[in-house]
Amino acid sequence: SAVISQKPSRDICQRGTSLTIQCQVDSQVTMMFWYRQQPGQSLTLIATANQGSEATYESGFVIDKFPISRPNLTFSTLTVSNMSPEDSSIYLCSVERQVPRELFFGEGSRLTVL
Amino acid sequence: AQSVTQLGSHVSVSEGALVLLRCNYSSSVPPYLFWYVQYPNQGLQLLLKYTTGATLVKGINGFEAEFKKSETSFHLTKPSAHMSDAAEYFCAVSDGGATNKLIFGTGTLLAVQP
Repeated sequence: SAVISQKPSRDICQRGTSLTIQCQVDSQVTMMFWYRQQPGQSLTLIATANQGSEATYESGFVIDKFPISRPNLTFSTLTVSNMSPEDSSIYLCSVERQVPRELFFGEGSRLTVL
Repeated sequence: AQSVTQLGSHVSVSEGALVLLRCNYSSSVPPYLFWYVQYPNQGLQLLLKYTTGATLVKGINGFEAEFKKSETSFHLTKPSAHMSDAAEYFCAVSDGGATNKLIFGTGTLLAVQP
């Protein structure tokens, strides 16, 4: 299995500020994914991050609001920009292992925006 | 497009009773199907998955699920519930394609009564 560490595990933020979430994996992976889990709801894919290329965003998510970096095969960041209370969610990093093909999830970063 | 429907956002069973969590999917291509479990304040953990082959899939912690194409279902069962099974369970579908993106259901919160 892949060990995924996310920082911060939780944070309370003020409206209008930005926060960067880090995701560190203990092995090299090609594809990393960022999901959002809003209170009482399921997980929604924000974007797919591949090393060496720009992230691919899902419908409803834009780079200006959720810029993503992927500097190497073990690390990625997601920034939540100009936060509002509607951004209060758990943000989860996920990585794909190829053989056998499986997705692993970090423990998530719980953001509360006041 | 793919989608997942989980019937019952909350399910309560007695310890030792049968656990049945329902999942129906929609997919225009042969689906890959997954069940994940999320314990409080933790990330998602894969319980089991169906890709191809045998339609009855056994997972961890005594859970199993059966892929029924005619019913477009992938219900999760466990013969005898344990207190430690209390968690949220998510059904997910992917097309198994290059991106391996997961589409999640809205989740079912399982409570186990003593």
